[in-house]
Amino acid sequence: SQTIHQWPATLVQPVGSPLSLECTVEGTSNPNLYWYRQAAGRGLQLLFYSVGIGQISSEVPQNLSASRPQDRQFILSSKKLLLSDSGFYLCAWDTAKGLETQYFGPGTRLLVL
Amino acid sequence: AQKITQTQPGMFVQEKEAVTLDCTYDTSDQSYGLFWYKQPSSGEMIFLIYQGSYDEQNATEGRYSLNFQKARKSANLVISASQLGDSAMYFCATRDDKIIFGKGTRLHILP
Repeated sequence: SQTIHQWPATLVQPVGSPLSLECTVEGTSNPNLYWYRQAAGRGLQLLFYSVGIGQISSEVPQNLSASRPQDRQFILSSKKLLLSDSGFYLCAWDTAKGLETQYFGPGTRLLVL
Repeated sequence: AQKITQTQPGMFVQEKEAVTLDCTYDTSDQSYGLFWYKQPSSGEMIFLIYQGSYDEQNATEGRYSLNFQKARKSANLVISASQLGDSAMYFCATRDDKIIFGKGTRLHILP
């Protein structure tokens, strides 16, 4: 069966510091991968998605970036965090087959101080 | 463009009662999927149920059923015999190429 991992689970970082969040998927090949952000009490905002290694599409311009160095690894990064980057970050995957369900990782809570 | 509307920001329901969470959608595509997710306080997004636009029967998964009314563009989630553990945020979503989520309904089950 497929599983999706995210780490760290919780992170507290000062403004201006770098960020690296990692997401890995097991049990499937060539998944579509997604990064979402959820502000407190709000809905999900799609940040990036990837259909393959090295292929990244950005939905919202901001100081975040994403990379996919391996088929089942998706990384969210920032060189300098802003206060507004605080939130709950969710990684998700689905198959490249059309109207498929997305499955989510456990998420990372990021607090920028 | 796709759009999902969840008009109930919050609901309070007595334990063991049935719950209906409203969801309307807007899409110009003929082929699309409809989803419901549950997000407890831990934050994880748990997939509950899926309905394809060409499915003639309403989807069911245990205590969850999706009341799909295509002409009304409605995809309400029905939870039968609610339990305290059903207290959570619930998101409706649709997709053709990308998934679009509604803003969610916070459900509180009262003992």
